[in-house]
Amino acid sequence: ILNVEQSPQSLHVQEGDSTNFTCSFPSSNFYALHWYRWETAKSPEALFVMTLNGDEKKKGRISATLNTKEGYSYLYIKGSQPEDSATYLCAFNFNKFYFGSGTKLNVKP
Amino acid sequence: NAGVTQTPKFQVLKTGQSMTLQCAQDMNHEYMSWYRQDPGMGLRLIHYSVGAGITDQGEVPNGYNVSRSTTEDFPLRLLSAAPSQTSVYFCASSYTLGSGNTIYFGEGSWLTVV
Repeated sequence: ILNVEQSPQSLHVQEGDSTNFTCSFPSSNFYALHWYRWETAKSPEALFVMTLNGDEKKKGRISATLNTKEGYSYLYIKGSQPEDSATYLCAFNFNKFYFGSGTKLNVKP
Repeated sequence: NAGVTQTPKFQVLKTGQSMTLQCAQDMNHEYMSWYRQDPGMGLRLIHYSVGAGITDQGEVPNGYNVSRSTTEDFPLRLLSAAPSQTSVYFCASSYTLGSGNTIYFGEGSWLTVV
């Protein structure tokens, strides 16, 4: 079993704040790193898939970076909105998919 | 495009009963998997399959059986339900396990064992 760790476990911010979370994973034998957005009572929704060291992906106000040599990825949200409230999961793809336990974001209006 | 379909969405079982959670995908994906989600624990892999006729255990396989007789279907069987199996179950699929392939999830099945 490979450990994928996410921090912080939860985060409360005000509308308009920018925020970021971390996903740490084993740095060897890497296939891909996935980020998902997961709202309560819904299925996880894919945000990004990153495969190369130094990859940066962006979707609107959300972006992510990848460092495979040191084994971490950051997810950034610029100008958080209440609709960004969700759990953000990362998954490390080696010979299976290994999920972190997620960062739960609550954005207050 | 139906994607990943899992049923039932909600189920209450008595301890000792058996049941099957159904999962089907129409995207010709080789990789299919079952996860359970418990508070504070994220998604834990129960069983997975990399193609028809091939299955393997994940992190928490005890008490569950799977089979993959077709590419499309990957049912999860609870042999004798226990309260510890109360959880939310997600079926997921991907084209392959190779790099860059997105995982697609079903909508989840809420199971309560009393």
